[in-house]
Amino acid sequence: KAGVTQTPRYLIKTRGQQVTLSCSPISGHRSVSWYQQTPGQGLQFLFEYFSETQRNKGNFPGRFSGRQFSNSRSEMNVSTLELGDSALYLCASSILAGGLEDTQYFGPGTRLTVL
Amino acid sequence: GQQLNQSPQSMFIQEGEDVSMNCTSSSIFNTWLWYKQEPGEGPVLLIALYKAGELTSNGRLTAQFGITRKDSFLNISASIPSDVGIYFCAGSSLAGTYKYIFGTGTRLKVLA
Repeated sequence: KAGVTQTPRYLIKTRGQQVTLSCSPISGHRSVSWYQQTPGQGLQFLFEYFSETQRNKGNFPGRFSGRQFSNSRSEMNVSTLELGDSALYLCASSILAGGLEDTQYFGPGTRLTVL
Repeated sequence: GQQLNQSPQSMFIQEGEDVSMNCTSSSIFNTWLWYKQEPGEGPVLLIALYKAGELTSNGRLTAQFGITRKDSFLNISASIPSDVGIYFCAGSSLAGTYKYIFGTGTRLKVLA
């Protein structure tokens, strides 16, 4: 079974631009979560989607948004990029995030650099 | 953002030594997950724990779900150079928040 895939793996943008990252979960997994990882803040939860609905959201500004498609693939978008948005963006999938005996699997991440 | 307290933050050990690290939380969790992350890659799941008191092994790794449900421990026996990396704990509650809270990570370096 293929793992979680994320595209692109690396991205360089300039301040003010917007970016869209893509995540394909493990086959059969319906929950997709997004995290931002930086050296200073560690792994921070962005949002989680299940069956095309956002069920939970972390403490990030409205410039960070996401969506999930009917095939469970998910995208996240960051508008008006700031230097501080430079980070590794990780996607994780699970069958039912937060449910009993559920487990979350991560993709390799997208390294975003904002210049 | 909310995080778990994970300790130690980093450790240098000799090859062959045993390693112990732990995570504590002010909240009760129903699931504890332990991950290892290497540079430039996403975290890889090592062990998942679902019941208070549960002890689970995966090769040289052993993890335990604390009885109070507010802590978890990971032990690595007979460390080898490829154990180098950052180890993260993650917890999830039954409150239906549908998200995992991550520890701050333990950076492990193994000296051959």
